[in-house]
Amino acid sequence: GAVVSQHPSRVICKSGTSVKIECRSLDFQATTMFWYRQFPKQSLMLMATSNEGSKATYEQGVEKDKFLINHASLTLSTLTVTSAHPEDSSFYICSARGAADEKLFFGSGTQLSVL
Amino acid sequence: AQTVTQSQPEMSVQEAETVTLSCTYDTSESDYYLFWYKQPPSRQMILVIRQEAYKQQNATENRFSVNFQKAAKSFSLKISDSQLGDAAMYFCAYLVEYGNKLVFGAGTILRVKS
Repeated sequence: GAVVSQHPSRVICKSGTSVKIECRSLDFQATTMFWYRQFPKQSLMLMATSNEGSKATYEQGVEKDKFLINHASLTLSTLTVTSAHPEDSSFYICSARGAADEKLFFGSGTQLSVL
Repeated sequence: AQTVTQSQPEMSVQEAETVTLSCTYDTSESDYYLFWYKQPPSRQMILVIRQEAYKQQNATENRFSVNFQKAAKSFSLKISDSQLGDAAMYFCAYLVEYGNKLVFGAGTILRVKS
């Protein structure tokens, strides 16, 4: 099956710093990528949807300037958490979808801990 | 707006027994997809099974099968011959055809007892 690689798997940073998370589709072209946030024992909350070459569409309540998403190519999307604070600590998961395909493939997630 | 409801926060099953996880959804669309995802402690999302709404036949994948009732908007997952490795959080999800947004239910924690 299709593979989505997400890095890093775990990151610890100081409050006020920025953190970049990468999501790559390894064997298919991802026309659309999604970023989710998940708190412990809760469901996945969609943060934003990005299409290659265009601006991301953010869900209501998600700060665009806080969570910068770039989808510069058909195989790479990045999520940058800017000026991270402890409340941003969470598990972030990306998923990717190819053209004309209803299947979504998920990355392995990134645990962000902000001290 | 589409919603997905999983009314069972936790379920337990004895090894080798059968368990059914419930899922209902609300939509005004006629063409859509339904999924069950498994999230083990590693937190990797794993696709268990999917169902196209236009298909009347229930999807089956080895020990996993669904009971899809389109009129009732119900999509339950049956796990037969439960194994210890089945223990995980299970999410029901909905995707409208040609849509982009995968809507998840709140999840059901499945515990398997040996």
